[in-house]
Amino acid sequence: GAGVSQSPSNKVTEKGKDVELRCDPISGHTALYWYRQRLGQGLEFLIYFQGNSAPDKSGLPSDRFSAERTGESVSTLTIQRTQQEDSAVYLCASSPHRGPYNEQFFGPGTRLTVL
Amino acid sequence: AQTVTQSQPEMSVQEAETVTLSCTYDTSESDYYLFWYKQPPSRQMILVIRQEAYKQQNATENRFSVNFQKAAKSFSLKISDSQLGDAAMYFCAPGGGADGLTFGKGTHLIIQP
Repeated sequence: GAGVSQSPSNKVTEKGKDVELRCDPISGHTALYWYRQRLGQGLEFLIYFQGNSAPDKSGLPSDRFSAERTGESVSTLTIQRTQQEDSAVYLCASSPHRGPYNEQFFGPGTRLTVL
Repeated sequence: AQTVTQSQPEMSVQEAETVTLSCTYDTSESDYYLFWYKQPPSRQMILVIRQEAYKQQNATENRFSVNFQKAAKSFSLKISDSQLGDAAMYFCAPGGGADGLTFGKGTHLIIQP
C-alpha cells in the first residue's frame, strides 16, 4: 500500500511569508508526528497527533508554528512569518497506534528554504 | 525526557566487513523501546531494528544486530557483511511514552568498495 506522502517536496520562500506543509499518513494510522531536521543534525520532535488531537504543543519552536489534522487523515504544519532559521527538512511520520513500541513510518520530507 | 549521544560522526568500512555504531542514551521512562533508523540520501527514514528494553536478548534482523546493555544505557548497532546499499546516516532513537522519538545526531556510514 501507499506510504506516508508529503508535499511539496521542496519549498523556497521569502523571509516573512507564510508556508503550509502537508502530510498524508498511511491509511488507518491513528498517530501522526512532525519532526524538523536541520542540516547535518538529527531529527527534532515538534508535535504529535492522536486522531485529530494534539495533547502537547510544547515542542513547537515558536508561536509562529501551528499544526492541525483532519480526523485521522491529512495534517498541515503551518509556519507564519518565516525566518531564515526555519530552513530545514520537515519530516512527518505515522504509526498504527500511539505508544513507544510502534514503528514510525516516515515520509520523504519537505525541504524548506527561507531566503 | 530522553537524551541520546552518538559519538561517531562518521564511520568508514570496507565492503563485506563488519562495523559497529555506538549509541548511549538516558531516559526517565521505565518502559521504553530503542530504535535504529537509517536515512539514505533520499531522506527517507527507514527502520533498521528495534529493541524492547525489558528483553535481555539482543535483537537481530538479518545482517543487523544490536548489543543492548541496559545498565550502561548503551545500544550499539552491528552491521555484518557490509554492502554498498548500507551507506547512509544512522540514527539511534529511544522511544518512551506517547511523544515522538528522541534522535541522536547520527553517524554517517561510508562503505568502501
